[in-house]
Amino acid sequence: DAGVIQSPRHEVTEMGQEVTLRCKPISGHDYLFWYRQTMMRGLELLIYFNNNVPIDDSGMPEDRFSAKMPNASFSTLKIQPSEPRDSAVYFCASSLLGQETQYFGPGTRLLVL
Amino acid sequence: AQSVAQPEDQVNVAEGNPLTVKCTYSVSGNPYLFWYVQYPNRGLQFLLKYITGDNLVKGSYGFEAEFNKSQTSFHLKKPSALVSDSALYFCAVRPTGNTPLVFGKGTRLSVIA
Repeated sequence: DAGVIQSPRHEVTEMGQEVTLRCKPISGHDYLFWYRQTMMRGLELLIYFNNNVPIDDSGMPEDRFSAKMPNASFSTLKIQPSEPRDSAVYFCASSLLGQETQYFGPGTRLLVL
Repeated sequence: AQSVAQPEDQVNVAEGNPLTVKCTYSVSGNPYLFWYVQYPNRGLQFLLKYITGDNLVKGSYGFEAEFNKSQTSFHLKKPSALVSDSALYFCAVRPTGNTPLVFGKGTRLSVIA
């Protein structure tokens, strides 16, 4: 099993640019989670999906952030426009209903200059 | 509100000595409890979980954790630490139902040769 796949692994962009992060969950998993990790705030849940439907997006910091899951094998997290304070590591995780364990991807390290 | 506390930001231990990483939780009902480990520049990896049954749970890499309901604790332990155990450790709780994990802020473990 390839595990959760995220791309890109690293992203450097300038303030004001649009950033798109991508995630492919483990095949068959029906829950998908997006997290952000920073030194100051630790690990924060941004949004999660069940069967491609957003269930709770209360962790999304601002309207500049949006997430979609057009099908069971793909999700995106978009930041438009990006700001330096968005610099963080963004993780995607997936899990299967009835199995409590979440499996994390390797993360995308985002730096906004 | 559901919460997890990891009271120590940093734990230092000599190689070969036993280690303990502390975690306490606050949640209504019977929680599911987890430990994850994060190595540098990697995603979180599942170590072990407590759902029900025996209070002592054994996990990967020789780690174990003890669930203590009266003290609302779920401390991670290992009898003999290795330098390769040096990493960031996260405790997490899942309240009953299909809800996301709530993570602690993490404890950085340094094992010194």
